[in-house]
Amino acid sequence: DGGITQSPKYLFRKEGQNVTLSCEQNLNHDAMYWYRQDPGQGLRLIYYSQIVNDFQKGDIAEGYSVSREKKESFPLTVTSAQKNPTAFYLCASSIGGDESDGYTFGSGTRLTVV
Amino acid sequence: AQSVTQLDSHVSVSEGTPVLLRCNYSSSYSPSLFWYVQHPNKGLQLLLKYTSAATLVKGINGFEAEFKKSETSFHLTKPSAHMSDAAEYFCALTGGFKTIFGAGTRLFVKA
Repeated sequence: DGGITQSPKYLFRKEGQNVTLSCEQNLNHDAMYWYRQDPGQGLRLIYYSQIVNDFQKGDIAEGYSVSREKKESFPLTVTSAQKNPTAFYLCASSIGGDESDGYTFGSGTRLTVV
Repeated sequence: AQSVTQLDSHVSVSEGTPVLLRCNYSSSYSPSLFWYVQHPNKGLQLLLKYTSAATLVKGINGFEAEFKKSETSFHLTKPSAHMSDAAEYFCALTGGFKTIFGAGTRLFVKA
């Protein structure tokens, strides 16, 4: 079955450490997205990519980095510059960049700072 | 400017009674509108979408929504709630190249 796989499901980060969240899709979708979800705040866009080797900052990109070397993969790195990284992270994809067909979401990664 | 407002942060219904989750929007474009559902510690799942075809949109699990341009609303309804409907629901809008999500409505279903 086609879908989006996020790993790991749970991740713990120490102070000053960089961590990378994986997102892989086998839907042949062009566009991919990373969202952060905090309680009571809905979803906030971190980064998005409409084609391979290109990506744009979203609303809260500071302290995060991404790459899009393959169509199927869009990993997110949470750097030590992100001062409050504890959150639920969701990866999504859409068929085209205009998003009119809606998103397919992964099952999320819960990141906790210890 | 585009925006999505979900009018209720929490809605509580009894099993077997109707569900109404309210969403208002603002958009300079002809919008595409969506409802998503999220169960605890899961990703979001697309329930239904409106993309300028029929104004009454039917989705999965018995949900439907009606696009009312004059009221700038896209409310989600279901005739009879089931315990498994308890979840958080998000209204979203796309008008151009960016999707905007509402803050979410948590639906509680009482036995």
